[in-house]
Amino acid sequence: IAGITQAPTSQILAAGRRMTLRCTQDMRHNAMYWYRQDLGLGLRLIHYSNTAGTTGKGEVPDGYSVSRANTDDFPLTLASAVPSQTSVYFCASSAQGWGEQFFGPGTRLTVL
Amino acid sequence: RKEVEQDPGPFNVPEGATVAFNCTYSNSASQSFFWYRQDCRKEPKLLMSVYSSGNEDGRFTAQLNRASQYISLLIRDSKLSDSATYLCVVSPRSGANNLFFGTGTRLTVIP
Repeated sequence: IAGITQAPTSQILAAGRRMTLRCTQDMRHNAMYWYRQDLGLGLRLIHYSNTAGTTGKGEVPDGYSVSRANTDDFPLTLASAVPSQTSVYFCASSAQGWGEQFFGPGTRLTVL
Repeated sequence: RKEVEQDPGPFNVPEGATVAFNCTYSNSASQSFFWYRQDCRKEPKLLMSVYSSGNEDGRFTAQLNRASQYISLLIRDSKLSDSATYLCVVSPRSGANNLFFGTGTRLTVIP
C-alpha cells in the first residue's frame, strides 16, 4: 500500500441498508478525515480523528459514524442509508491537524 | 457566510495565456492557506501552500493578502495539462481539526 486506499470504489445501495466505507493509510499519519463532495457544495467534513482512539464531528455528521481503533484504519458507517447520502466520499489523512492533507481515491456511493 | 468563497468559473483560456484566480476567506484568524488541484472524478491533491510572503513554484505563483482576506493563484504560460478544478483551502490553526475548502474554480486550457 502506498498512501491512502479506499474501498469500495463505487457502490449502489438500497435505502435503509447499512454500509461501511473503508479507509486505510500507511503513512503513520495521526489525523484522518472523512469528507463528502457534492456538486456546487465542495468538500464538507463529516468526521475526523486527531489520533487513534479519538474522533470528532465535522460539519455534516448526522447519519454517519466512525471509529479509530488504530492509526491506519478509519471506517465510515452509514447505519441506515438515505438517498441524500448519495455522494462521493473522500478519506484523507495528515501528519498534523492543520497541515497538508492527502486524499484517497474516493468512493462513489449511490443510495436508491 | 461561507468560510471560503471562490468564483466557480469556468475559465476558458488559450494555451500560453496567464490566468489568475482569487478566493476570499471569512475568518481573519485563519493561519494556513493552500491551493489544491482536482482533476475530473479524482481526489484533490496539494498544488502549493500559500505563505505570507507569497511563493512561486515554476509557472505557479500564490499570494496572500491578510488585510483583505484573500488569496490568489497565478498560472503563467498555461498548458493543456493545467485543465482542472482549483480548490482554495483555509485552515484556522487555533484548535481546529479540519480544512475549509472552497467549491473550486474550473479551468479549461484550450489548444
